[in-house]
Amino acid sequence: EAQVTQNPRYLITVTGKKLTVTCSQNMNHEYMSWYRQDPGLGLRQIYYSMNVEVTDKGDVPEGYKVSRKEKRNFPLILESPSPNQTSLYFCASRLTGTEYGYTFGSGTRLTVV
Amino acid sequence: DQQVKQNSPSLSVQEGRISILNCDYTNSMFDYFLWYKKYPAEGPTFLISISSIKDKNEDGRFTVFLNKSAKHLSLHIVPSQPGDSAVYFCAASSSGTYKYIFGTGTRLKVLA
Repeated sequence: EAQVTQNPRYLITVTGKKLTVTCSQNMNHEYMSWYRQDPGLGLRQIYYSMNVEVTDKGDVPEGYKVSRKEKRNFPLILESPSPNQTSLYFCASRLTGTEYGYTFGSGTRLTVV
Repeated sequence: DQQVKQNSPSLSVQEGRISILNCDYTNSMFDYFLWYKKYPAEGPTFLISISSIKDKNEDGRFTVFLNKSAKHLSLHIVPSQPGDSAVYFCAASSSGTYKYIFGTGTRLKVLA
């Protein structure tokens, strides 16, 4: 089944404790992206990657890191999480070209206390 | 600055009637638009899209209309079904960029 898999689905952590949210897709998509969803703000792009070893900042990149060492994986790293990073996170992938829609993962609900 | 706006946070419609969800944008460079549907505890799923060279695109019960002069698009669902109850996001993009800008979403509730 074609899908984007994120782990974990739920995570509660403490301020300052480094964490990684994994994302993997099995569709051979070049383009991958991370979004966060917050009430009243919709989906905002954190980082995106156009292909292996090519990443760039989205609209809200502060406090996040990403890497794209393999085509299928695009982990999101929070080096020192803070409470304002409490959010619902989605990984997504698609083929290059604006006519292609995203396939989204099921989401990771992160709480930073 | 919110480049893509969905001004109605919620909408309730009777089963069998038409649902109309609206989306406005400010960037005239946007030339591709999509609608996504999101159920609770799931990721958004792609619903329908439209290119700026068209003013209408249909897929079954779903039709998207684009009015470029007004910078406005709308999603029509006819007839509405209870299973359509979800949050709907519109998104916009420009050719040559890799970014989609999403709206804030509209929660649709279809009443049986």
